[in-house]
Amino acid sequence: DQQVKQNSPSLSVQEGRISILNCDYTNSMFDYFLWYKKYPAEGPTFLISISSIKDKNEDGRFTVFLNKSAKHLSLHIVPSQPGDSAVYFCAATISNSGYALNFGKGTSLLVTP
Amino acid sequence: EAQVTQNPRYLITVTGKKLTVTCSQNMNHEYMSWYRQDPGLGLRQIYYSMNVEVTDKGDVPEGYKVSRKEKRNFPLILESPSPNQTSLYFCASRRADYNEQFFGPGTRLTVL
Repeated sequence: DQQVKQNSPSLSVQEGRISILNCDYTNSMFDYFLWYKKYPAEGPTFLISISSIKDKNEDGRFTVFLNKSAKHLSLHIVPSQPGDSAVYFCAATISNSGYALNFGKGTSLLVTP
Repeated sequence: EAQVTQNPRYLITVTGKKLTVTCSQNMNHEYMSWYRQDPGLGLRQIYYSMNVEVTDKGDVPEGYKVSRKEKRNFPLILESPSPNQTSLYFCASRRADYNEQFFGPGTRLTVL
């Protein structure tokens, strides 16, 4: 059963605008959430993460928001750039438990000039 | 350079011919794992290892074997590959006390 869900398979955004990628989870034990970015022919690379003790984490143009009560997180990219075009995976885990990263199916973001 | 390497990067084989995909990391990470990526299914974990000689099944272990004889290496073995194992495979590693995983570049396997 999919415990991490990314319900939008694709998203298209104009350069300079905000990209919002969404992710929902079902396991209330998850306490650490990560976003990975993947270009074709490359492995996923870590982008940004957030612990459940926070509701926001920012790194440059990337901000992740966590709403624990709704079991929802989102990744905001502002401003979006063509180089941001990639597949974005949301992942969740239980910290320091040896628990696996549980991945969503990914959202393909296309940023058009 | 800190990295996870996989070999081969591309492989075409036939049903039933045993193969091994190697994975090596140079970061002294305790935790290593294998994933497969399929269209519409995202990344699914096949096997993982929390340290040398300690391995366990992930979500989709059927048809695969692994071993962890050394900390840096975690090969994925397909004893009798079948066409439904055609996929893109990723190896990953992380420190035991750290949640972020580092991924290898991927191995695209086609089983005819």
